[in-house]
Amino acid sequence: DAGVTQSPTHLIKTRGQQVTLRCSPKSGHDTVSWYQQALGQGPQFIFQYYEEEERQRGNFPDRFSGHQFPNYSSELNVNALLLGDSALYLCASSLVRIREAFFGQGTRLTVV
Amino acid sequence: AQKITQTQPGMFVQEKEAVTLDCTYDTSDPSYGLFWYKQPSSGEMIFLIYQGSYDQQNATEGRYSLNFQKARKSANLVISASHLGDSAMYFCAMREGRDDKIIFGKGTRLHILP
Repeated sequence: DAGVTQSPTHLIKTRGQQVTLRCSPKSGHDTVSWYQQALGQGPQFIFQYYEEEERQRGNFPDRFSGHQFPNYSSELNVNALLLGDSALYLCASSLVRIREAFFGQGTRLTVV
Repeated sequence: AQKITQTQPGMFVQEKEAVTLDCTYDTSDPSYGLFWYKQPSSGEMIFLIYQGSYDQQNATEGRYSLNFQKARKSANLVISASHLGDSAMYFCAMREGRDDKIIFGKGTRLHILP
């Protein structure tokens, strides 16, 4: 049973560019959440997708957008990258309203 | 105000000893869930244990147990018989009521010494 998988694992982008990160949820899970983890900090909630719609959003600008596909996989898009967007981006999957959320290994984004 | 407070930035523990990682939380919602996650240097956030606010018993999962003291708003993680592979960052986290997001603390870096 595959867990949560994210791609790519590492990425280097230039300021002003756009990036797309991908996540495949754990088998049987229908909800995907995205988190940003800056160095030395705990993860911060970006948004959550369920039934291909954004259910809830954290305190992140509109440069951060997402999508969920019919197979429950998800993408996180970040436009107009800033140096401060450098972080580990974690995807978590769960069943809606069920307690545990399982995380992927993350995508480490470096903006130069 | 911080929702999740982890007061131990770092801890050093001898192998085979028990470890207690502290966590206090702040919420006015009577329904909430508390989580502990382990994050090795590889980055993956590994789910360890969950405690619901209405659960009568303290949660246990193998060598992990959660010391849930509701009146004190405390949810400490206890690791029995630590081993070298337990060296990692540990995060306490909470989900409130019908909210979907998980709120994380700043973490405690645990070092197990041989």
